[in-house]
Amino acid sequence: EVKLEESGGGLVQPGGSMKLSCVASGFTFSNYWMNWVRQSPEKGLEWVAEIRLKSNNYATHYAESVKGRFTISRDDSKSSVYLQMNNLRAEDTGIYYCTGGSSVGAFAYWGQGTLVTVSA
Amino acid sequence: EIVLTQSPTTMAASPGEKITITCSASSSISSNYLHWYQQKPGFSPKLLIYRTSNLASGVPARFSGSGSGTSYSLTIGTMEAEDVATYYCQQGSSIPRTFGGGTKLEIK
Repeated sequence: EVKLEESGGGLVQPGGSMKLSCVASGFTFSNYWMNWVRQSPEKGLEWVAEIRLKSNNYATHYAESVKGRFTISRDDSKSSVYLQMNNLRAEDTGIYYCTGGSSVGAFAYWGQGTLVTVSA
Repeated sequence: EIVLTQSPTTMAASPGEKITITCSASSSISSNYLHWYQQKPGFSPKLLIYRTSNLASGVPARFSGSGSGTSYSLTIGTMEAEDVATYYCQQGSSIPRTFGGGTKLEIK
């Protein structure tokens, strides 16, 4: 059974930092492009960041809205992907999903999501 | 950025009815990179159709997808109560990956 389990969400003040973690099981993690996708009532589903495979030199890509503030990373030995979020803003509030995808950009696997709330 | 526009935004269908949701892209996408998701209330999105017309594992055959270029569609051949959900199209052709705004499907 495929499982993606996110952790690390919660309440943080504007300008603060938070690190999300996601551990995967049930599929060959090292063969999948991993992404973070967030969802909020205001913006709907919004892609945040992507990290590719070792064979792609772990290339990363980011949404413009988070570039320079968020960093995605992975540890294939732990079947885990991370999202370091700095200088958080109110508009970063939402449910953050860890997803496992393919080279055609389809998000085949989704976690249950972790809620991040940025508020004073 | 490729903008995806879905239509309608909300709709209600009777059991057994055929429904079609459309997804219009602001620029042409290869059909290999257009995907659909289903999100039921209280749950994470789930991949429904990938590469325009390929059903994900476990998806009932009443679902189908078609399209090319800038125009794509998702069809449910016969509406069932369990199909109540919000449906999203998504493109994986370019960065940033983008989603449509969603179509909320309710049952009459």
